Amino acid sequence: AQSVAQPEDQVNVAEGNPLTVKCTYSVSGNPYLFWYVQYPNRGLQFLLKYITGDNLVKGSYGFEAEFNKSQTSFHLKKPSALVSDSALYFCAVRDTGYTGFQKLVFGTGTRLLVSP
Amino acid sequence: DAGVIQSPRHEVTEMGQEVTLRCKPISGHNSLFWYRQTMMRGLELLIYFNNNVPIDDSGMPEDRFSAKMPNASFSTLKIQPSEPRDSAVYFCASSLGFAGPNGDQPQHFGDGTRLSIL
Repeated sequence: AQSVAQPEDQVNVAEGNPLTVKCTYSVSGNPYLFWYVQYPNRGLQFLLKYITGDNLVKGSYGFEAEFNKSQTSFHLKKPSALVSDSALYFCAVRDTGYTGFQKLVFGTGTRLLVSP
Repeated sequence: DAGVIQSPRHEVTEMGQEVTLRCKPISGHNSLFWYRQTMMRGLELLIYFNNNVPIDDSGMPEDRFSAKMPNASFSTLKIQPSEPRDSAVYFCASSLGFAGPNGDQPQHFGDGTRLSIL
């Protein structure tokens, strides 16, 4: 069964500094990987996805993520953090190694706090 | 464009009462998902519909939970009877489905219904 791990409950970074939110995954086939962001009292919003091809994926709001197959990781990055980036970030994976429906499995979330 | 619309946004009711949560997906989307979010268990998929047909309901906690999708623009999640442990935020999401030429299409989430069972 597929799974995804976000090892950090919270990441603190100063505004203007680069940020990284970590994600590792486990699948039997090839993964489809996603990052979503959740602001208070709102639903999850899609940031970016990796399906195949270039290991560096660019997404919304200046975010990008790097797919590393050997390390089974898909870390979210941004070169310069903004206070408005403070939110809850979710990594998600779907295993394409099966036929039929396979659900998207979400990590437990990482809270990003960007200080002024 | 209107996003996924959920109602009510907040619901407070007493144990044993019937609760009905409503969802209007994005027009043209053929996949609909109901999720539950709690601090303890995170985000859990309850049920998935494709073209109005329930495909996977393995995440539905027990028989007290039921979901319907009578047409492409409306779905309900019902809890009867409700219990305090059902307190959570319930999200509806919709998408254009799976495994197109660009892989999975992103799921678009509503803003959720915060349910409190007293």
